[in-house]
Amino acid sequence: LAKTTQPISMDSYEGQEVNITCSHNNIATNDYITWYQQFPSQGPRFIIQGYKTKVTNEVASLFIPADRKSSTLSLPRVSLSDTAVYYCLVAQGGTGGFKTIFGAGTRLFVKA
Amino acid sequence: GAVVSQHPSRVICKSGTSVKIECRSLDFQATTMFWYRQFPKQSLMLMATSNEGSKATYEQGVEKDKFLINHASLTLSTLTVTSAHPEDSSFYICSARDGTGNTEAFFGQGTRLTVV
Repeated sequence: LAKTTQPISMDSYEGQEVNITCSHNNIATNDYITWYQQFPSQGPRFIIQGYKTKVTNEVASLFIPADRKSSTLSLPRVSLSDTAVYYCLVAQGGTGGFKTIFGAGTRLFVKA
Repeated sequence: GAVVSQHPSRVICKSGTSVKIECRSLDFQATTMFWYRQFPKQSLMLMATSNEGSKATYEQGVEKDKFLINHASLTLSTLTVTSAHPEDSSFYICSARDGTGNTEAFFGQGTRLTVV
């Protein structure tokens, strides 16, 4: 299983764009990259998933370079409610019970 | 997206008793479910992988006789914490995949277990 490395914490202010980078040097060919958000005492919530290049949805963008050894989650114009822990995960595609292993995550603090 | 529901959301039990936590996939069939434990300020730690109709696979260091997992149907997995002790107090979270090749895992809202 590919190990992921993220910054432990980040601070930002409301209205700013936040970029959180995750390293996954040992990513395998059929691995996908997924980001989750977790608030205290809640289960993780899916944010975005990608395999290569750029993916965008209504809440975030995910940038993946050609070598796929890292990825960057971009949160546009964060608000106080975006204060949470963000996890980068690498998991295999295809059928089967592939484990989802969580790294330490990044604690994002958004200030007024 | 798909919904995974856990019950109860919080439970308090006495030392030595057993507690059962349910994890249900509400709108899809979950061939595989995962159980995690999370202590305060820490990340989720995978405890075991539960496959429908077969025995669960436990991660190293997790006692299978203490944390009983049953995945008897495609929509329900249960985790029973047997002979609970205060150190078992934690936040337990389940997740599920739908077995179609989708890599996204859907998470329950978690269960806060307090053993007194």
